[in-house]
Amino acid sequence: DAGVTQSPTHLIKTRGQQVTLRCSPKSGHDTVSWYQQALGQGPQFIFQYYEEEERQRGNFPDRFSGHQFPNYSSELNVNALLLGDSALYLCASSHRTGANTEAFFGQGTRLTVV
Amino acid sequence: AQSVTQLDSQVPVFEEAPVELRCNYSSSVSVYLFWYVQYPNQGLQLLLKYLSGSTLVESINGFEAEFNKSQTSFHLRKPSVHISDTAEYFCAVSSVFSGGYNKLIFGAGTRLAVHP
Repeated sequence: DAGVTQSPTHLIKTRGQQVTLRCSPKSGHDTVSWYQQALGQGPQFIFQYYEEEERQRGNFPDRFSGHQFPNYSSELNVNALLLGDSALYLCASSHRTGANTEAFFGQGTRLTVV
Repeated sequence: AQSVTQLDSQVPVFEEAPVELRCNYSSSVSVYLFWYVQYPNQGLQLLLKYLSGSTLVESINGFEAEFNKSQTSFHLRKPSVHISDTAEYFCAVSSVFSGGYNKLIFGAGTRLAVHP
């Protein structure tokens, strides 16, 4: 089992550009969540996808959008990049079974906006 | 809204010494608590979790945490640390929203630095 895989591992973009990050969940998982981890901080919830729909969203602007595909993989898109979007973006997969479900995290994508 | 407070941003300790990383959470009817570890340039790995039952939970590498409902705490402890335990540790609480979906709310993290 490859676990949760994310691509790319590192990315450098210019302010104003758009970026797409990708995530493949752990085998058997149907729910994907995205988190943003700024330097020196804990991860912050962006949104969660289940059955190809966004089920819940954190306090992030509409510049952040996502998608989930029939095979449960997911994309995170960020438009009009700002310097403050520089962070480690983490994908987590799980089963939609309630609060006691365990989330498995990928290695993350390090996004640097210059 | 639920929240998590990690009381120490950095904890320096010598090898083979005991360590405690402190975590407090906001009160809720049902609480599910987690400790994750993050090694440099890596993602998060689950260290241990409290879902129900015994208030003392243990990991395979010697860490343990105790759920204390009256003090709303979930402190992480290890009786003897190794150099390899140097990492960032995050305490998290599971927050359930409508439809039964859940998200993790993380503390700001504690950097454990083990010195020889």
